[in-house]
Amino acid sequence: DTAVSQTPKYLVTQMGNDKSIKCEQNLGHDTMYWYKQDSKKFLKIMFSYNNKELIINETVPNRFSPKSPDKAHLNLHINSLELGDSAVYFCASSQDQNEQFFGPGTRLTVL
Amino acid sequence: SQQGEEDPQALSIQEGENATMNCSYKTSINNLQWYRQNSGRGLVHLILIRSNEREKHSGRLRVTLDTSKKSSSLLITASRAADTASYFCATDSSGNTPLVFGKGTRLSVIA
Repeated sequence: DTAVSQTPKYLVTQMGNDKSIKCEQNLGHDTMYWYKQDSKKFLKIMFSYNNKELIINETVPNRFSPKSPDKAHLNLHINSLELGDSAVYFCASSQDQNEQFFGPGTRLTVL
Repeated sequence: SQQGEEDPQALSIQEGENATMNCSYKTSINNLQWYRQNSGRGLVHLILIRSNEREKHSGRLRVTLDTSKKSSSLLITASRAADTASYFCATDSSGNTPLVFGKGTRLSVIA
């Protein structure tokens, strides 16, 4: 059984489009995260939600809007996509400040 | 802002040898964690060491933490080709602060 799943795995789209990435965890964790990994493999936190409430919002453009319908889901919607948004986006979950469980990643390519 | 810095950036060894990777960080930490990322996959948690701990073992992994030097090391003994991956350290300061990842060490184990 997949613990943290993301869809889609690959996303290729044109500049200016709006797209969403979905994330689900079946671990019963209270906290979920979105990370962005750039071409140099640098992994940076974007958002963190605890029990559907936003607790961390790093300096991310407001074109990125996370939505957590329940504590098992944290979706990421991106408006007006730009070339610089091309990256691999990872969802993760954790309980308290312990280990984080990562999804397989979504490779976003903006043309 | 980036907290952890892994060293070396890349490491290539023969199967059976030991691999040592280092991580330095800048500010006080609550926990330090090590993760592995295989090519094209999500991160997998390896080990967590708390700020009041100095050494931890898990199978072929040994992690040390020196808070006075703000550094940690990950030792993989008797390496295998399957250990080929990127290894990241990640730190958190306290409470709800996010995990901050380093840029990773790319380990290649040659059979």
